[in-house]
Amino acid sequence: DQQVKQNSPSLSVQEGRISILNCDYTNSMFDYFLWYKKYPAEGPTFLISISSIKDKNEDGRFTVFLNKSAKHLSLHIVPSQPGDSAVYFCAATGAGSYQLTFGKGTKLSVIP
Amino acid sequence: NAGVMQNPRHLVRRRGQEARLRCSPMKGHSHVYWYRQLPEEGLKFMVYLQKENIIDESGMPKERFSAEFPKEGPSILRIQQVVRGDSAAYFCASSPRTQGGDTEAFFGQGTRLTVV
Repeated sequence: DQQVKQNSPSLSVQEGRISILNCDYTNSMFDYFLWYKKYPAEGPTFLISISSIKDKNEDGRFTVFLNKSAKHLSLHIVPSQPGDSAVYFCAATGAGSYQLTFGKGTKLSVIP
Repeated sequence: NAGVMQNPRHLVRRRGQEARLRCSPMKGHSHVYWYRQLPEEGLKFMVYLQKENIIDESGMPKERFSAEFPKEGPSILRIQQVVRGDSAAYFCASSPRTQGGDTEAFFGQGTRLTVV
């Protein structure tokens, strides 16, 4: 039973355009959400997070949007750069919990 | 300030052998988490340890797997009598406090275990 779902295994975007990566969750106890970026043969690197008390968090080119009623979040990267090409994992955790529940990841390819 | 160090990076074991995976947390971090990533899957939580204590091992298979984080030295994830299904990437993460909210865990580069 997948509690965090990333339904697009891959995404290709032209350099300079917007990349939108989507994530859905089913567990209503999740209240903190994170995005990790992972290059091949490396560990996940924290990118950006959002608490359930917010609906938007921005950090430079990266913005995460949270729609609690739809149990949906998205990561926007603007403008996309070739160095953004990586696998992006959505993760979630609940109040008082330290366990991260990860999605399967979306492989982003930014084409120069 | 070195990050989370895992070794070896790659480990090949024959079926039935033992695998030992090591994780040295970041300096100042006393909380360690192990995750496993099977091919084409996301990372799955295995175990959470603090120095000399296993806090939560709910994600660990009941048999053959064990973890420790001694007072001195790295955390060890031990897999006895490995089988092909154990082939995966094993990631360790560490944090200065219990991860959650604004306390982020930092991941190591992982150990890729291949069972032949």
